[in-house]
Amino acid sequence: GQQLNQSPQSMFIQEGEDVSMNCTSSSIFNTWLWYKQDPGEGPVLLIALYKAGELTSNGRLTAQFGITRKDSFLNISASIPSDVGIYFCAGRPRLNLTLMDSNYQLIWGAGTKLIIKP
Amino acid sequence: GAVVSQHPSWVICKSGTSVKIECRSLDFQATTMFWYRQFPKQSLMLMATSNEGSKATYEQGVEKDKFLINHASLTLSTLTVTSAHPEDSSFYICSANPGPGVPQHFGDGTRLSIL
Repeated sequence: GQQLNQSPQSMFIQEGEDVSMNCTSSSIFNTWLWYKQDPGEGPVLLIALYKAGELTSNGRLTAQFGITRKDSFLNISASIPSDVGIYFCAGRPRLNLTLMDSNYQLIWGAGTKLIIKP
Repeated sequence: GAVVSQHPSWVICKSGTSVKIECRSLDFQATTMFWYRQFPKQSLMLMATSNEGSKATYEQGVEKDKFLINHASLTLSTLTVTSAHPEDSSFYICSANPGPGVPQHFGDGTRLSIL
């Protein structure tokens, strides 16, 4: 099925460094979501974006909904050891609205694995 | 709020066994839940959309007779892997939307290992 282009695939950084990752799509999206998944657990929602140009922060995390509606980025400032994990972008493509619109399927990126060097 | 509980978290069983996984929305009602499968180091792959009171919608390539989905109430969906074989071993995750336009919230997943 369709998948978002998420990069980088993995990152090796020093504690305290900033992190940036992004997702792109060939089609327009109405919603961009960023999740984090720890080993053996389900994804946890970090930030949700609903409007083109929207910039939203959650603590040290900041994400933006691209103006073209075809991309989004996630930044993590001053990384700490607990930031280690896999980060996924997910989005909802623009489709014709239906009565079931509230229960939409997501398109997923392949994930960015974040590793922090001690 | 918006807690999704998944049970069991880990299953090991013999080949040929059928395994049932439960997904519950603890503090909200969900007319729709989603079942995903995730292989190591890969992203989530949607298997099916579970609809309360009606048949599930399966993604292309997912065998409906192999992966039985029942969504009997607004807070419970079950996935049964019938006659499981080693190739069915994977991490299965469910999710649900707490409301219109609200992002999916995920259960903690079920690690299924078929010997």
